[in-house]
Amino acid sequence: EAQVTQNPRYLITVTGKKLTVTCSQNMNHEYMSWYRQDPGLGLRQIYYSMNVEVTDKGDVPEGYKVSRKEKRNFPLILESPSPNQTSLYFCASSITSGRADGAQYFGPGTRLTVL
Amino acid sequence: QQQVKQSPQSLIVQKGGISIINCAYENTAFDYFPWYQQFPGKGPALLIAIRPDVSEKKEGRFTISFNKSAKQFSLHIMDSQPGDSATYFCAALNYQLIWGAGTKLIIKP
Repeated sequence: EAQVTQNPRYLITVTGKKLTVTCSQNMNHEYMSWYRQDPGLGLRQIYYSMNVEVTDKGDVPEGYKVSRKEKRNFPLILESPSPNQTSLYFCASSITSGRADGAQYFGPGTRLTVL
Repeated sequence: QQQVKQSPQSLIVQKGGISIINCAYENTAFDYFPWYQQFPGKGPALLIAIRPDVSEKKEGRFTISFNKSAKQFSLHIMDSQPGDSATYFCAALNYQLIWGAGTKLIIKP
């Protein structure tokens, strides 16, 4: 089954404790992206990747890191989480490179709480 | 301007009625306008999309109306059903997808 998977689905952590949210897609997509979703703010892009070893900042990259060592995986790293990073996070992928494809496939989301 | 402005923020419609969600944009370089549907606990999923060379696209009960001169596009849900209750996002694509803030739609039985 074609899908984007994220782990963990739920995470409660404390300020400053490094964490990684994994994202994997099995569709051989070149483009992958991370979003955060907050009430009233819609979806805001954190980072995106056009292909392996190619990553770039989205609208709200501060406090986050990503890597794209393999085509299928795109982990999101919070080196020192803070309470303002409490949010619902989505990973997404789409087939094209060069520019984003409007048809993005989303993972199920990771709800992160930073105390 | 890269913004996409979506309204209303929330909408309540009676079963069988027409739900209408509107979006407006400024950047004339946008060339693809998708709508996404998100159910609670799930990620958004592509519902329907349109390119600016057509004024309307219909898929079942869902229709996008596109007004290029006004830089506006809207989603119409005909014969709205309780199963349509979800959050709807419009978006516009240039080099990246720019998202509207979302509309929470509730269909009352």
